[in-house]
Amino acid sequence: ETGVTQSPTHLIKTRGQQVTLRCSSQSGHNTVSWYQQALGQGPQFIFQYYREEENGRGNFPPRFSGLQFPNYSSELNVNALELDDSALYLCASSWRQGGDTQYFGPGTRLTVL
Amino acid sequence: QKEVEQDPGPLSVPEGAIVSLNCTYSNSAFQYFMWYRQYSRKGPELLMYTYSSGNKEDGRFTAQVDKSSKYISLFIRDSQPSDSATYLCATENYGGSQGNLIFGKGTKLSVKP
Repeated sequence: ETGVTQSPTHLIKTRGQQVTLRCSSQSGHNTVSWYQQALGQGPQFIFQYYREEENGRGNFPPRFSGLQFPNYSSELNVNALELDDSALYLCASSWRQGGDTQYFGPGTRLTVL
Repeated sequence: QKEVEQDPGPLSVPEGAIVSLNCTYSNSAFQYFMWYRQYSRKGPELLMYTYSSGNKEDGRFTAQVDKSSKYISLFIRDSQPSDSATYLCATENYGGSQGNLIFGKGTKLSVKP
């Protein structure tokens, strides 16, 4: 067990809706990264937060946004959901922004109909 | 060319076999290399973390990095049915102030009793 938790476990939304996914990092970890894993693919980097500031972003549009809070929790928000947003969303926490082990949570499976 | 290439398999072996999993990567600047194991409907679990070239052993698992050929390998000795999972290789795109993981597609391994 890594100590990284995510909620909810599963979520079903319809196209055009908005969704908020939550993550609780390991205590003491200042960095959280979010990844999207489509079926049969490896995780793809969405963005990283370090001490409540966005610290890097992958090739995802602005409708993917996030927040990190001082209590080691964070959120991933996705607006205007599209069918292709259906995936497993993973958060990973680490102590440093880079060169450090990233520990993953169990993920939230999002289905967009 | 994808930054990290991994044969998705599936790979099926009998219990007790030696398993060899491999990936190639494109950017010679990558320094950190990882292997994650992912069981069905779970988040990735870190197995091995190596820096630069060389071998690292942990029980039945050995990770190898050959930076000259941009090739990373994971060997599993005396494979067990409980090793059945998807194995993801990853490297880190670390720019000094931020690091995100770049994953291969994952290789699905099945160990038959």
